[in-house]
Amino acid sequence: GAGVSQSPSNKVTEKGKDVELRCDPISGHTALYWYRQSLGQGLEFLIYFQGNSAPDKSGLPSDRFSAERTGGSVSTLTIQRTQQEDSAVYLCASIPSGSQETQYFGPGTRLLVL
Amino acid sequence: GDSVTQMEGPVTLSEEAFLTINCTYTATGYPSLFWYVQYPGEGLQLLLKATKADDKGSNKGFEATYRKETTSFHLEKGSVQVSDSAVYFCALAGGFKTIFGAGTRLFVKA
Repeated sequence: GAGVSQSPSNKVTEKGKDVELRCDPISGHTALYWYRQSLGQGLEFLIYFQGNSAPDKSGLPSDRFSAERTGGSVSTLTIQRTQQEDSAVYLCASIPSGSQETQYFGPGTRLLVL
Repeated sequence: GDSVTQMEGPVTLSEEAFLTINCTYTATGYPSLFWYVQYPGEGLQLLLKATKADDKGSNKGFEATYRKETTSFHLEKGSVQVSDSAVYFCALAGGFKTIFGAGTRLFVKA
């Protein structure tokens, strides 16, 4: 079946604008994760969903970042009033049910804030 | 809290050389351990995993053994190829969160 998909693949925006990043997980996967990968850096955890609820939002860098998931499927990560330091690759991953399972990653959205 | 520490890169090797990328972890409980790989221009994908102490994960000639006594999960390959050039991430999963190391970039020269 289809893997995790993300859109857009690339996004260039101006400082101060809002952006929405979308993730479509593998069908039937109940858990979904968002990460941020800055140039040459590791993965920074942002938020985790189990179904539609987000038990762990501890990684969101500021209140400009928010995420939601609807229907236990698609998730949207929204960054308001973007700043240049938000430039990074945003990765989404899903797993079938929960703990200690392999994560399946999407190709990422490369965000550039000018 | 849980954490993963892996050796800094970049690591540069000649083809057919032996590879070791060190990874140590701190965790409560009994996490599963993973190595993920990110090839140039591609997304992260699982390379191998081990779910309990003394388990050995293996794939594509790579191996790693879950050592509880030394809290380590070092990645090894006996003979690297140019096509192994990538960034390698060690990770642990305990509960619902996966913690990733900073990644180690490997360059293999022909």
